[in-house]
Amino acid sequence: LAKTTQPISMDSYEGQEVNITCSHNNIATNDYITWYQQFPSQGPRFIIQGYKTKVTNEVASLFIPADRKSSTLSLPRVSLSDTAVYYCLVGASYNQGGKLIFGQGTELSVKP
Amino acid sequence: GAVVSQHPSRVICKSGTSVKIECRSLDFQATTMFWYRQFPKQSLMLMATSNEGSKATYEQGVEKDKFLINHASLTLSTLTVTSAHPEDSSFYICSATEQGNTEAFFGQGTRLTVV
Repeated sequence: LAKTTQPISMDSYEGQEVNITCSHNNIATNDYITWYQQFPSQGPRFIIQGYKTKVTNEVASLFIPADRKSSTLSLPRVSLSDTAVYYCLVGASYNQGGKLIFGQGTELSVKP
Repeated sequence: GAVVSQHPSRVICKSGTSVKIECRSLDFQATTMFWYRQFPKQSLMLMATSNEGSKATYEQGVEKDKFLINHASLTLSTLTVTSAHPEDSSFYICSATEQGNTEAFFGQGTRLTVV
């Protein structure tokens, strides 16, 4: 299983762009990269998923280099409500036998 | 996105009793479900993976006789904490995925307190 490494914590201010990088050096060929957001006492919430290059949706962008050994979640113009823990997961859960293993996550604190 | 409903959201039970937590996929067929436990200020720890109609696969260190998982249908999986003790108090979260869908969907979690 591909292990992920992220910064434990990050601080930002409202209106700034936040980039969180995740390392996954032994990602497998059929693994996807998925980012989740978790607020206290809630289940994780899907943010974005990608396989390679760049993916953008209404809340974030995901940048994946050609070697796929890392990925960067980009949150444009964060607000106080973006204060949460962000997890980078690598895996192929859609295959029977696949697992979703959480790393330690990045605790993002957005200040006014 | 797809919805996974987890029930109850919080439960308090006495030591020695058993507690059942339900996880339902409301609008898709959950061929695989995952059960996690999360302690305060820690990440989610995978307890077991269950495929519909098969026995669950437990992670190392997780007692299968204590944490009974049943995935009898494509929309329902249950986790039963048997003979609960205060150290079992934690936040339990389920996740479900559908064959061919690359995204996994999470329930809202269950806060278990054993007194």
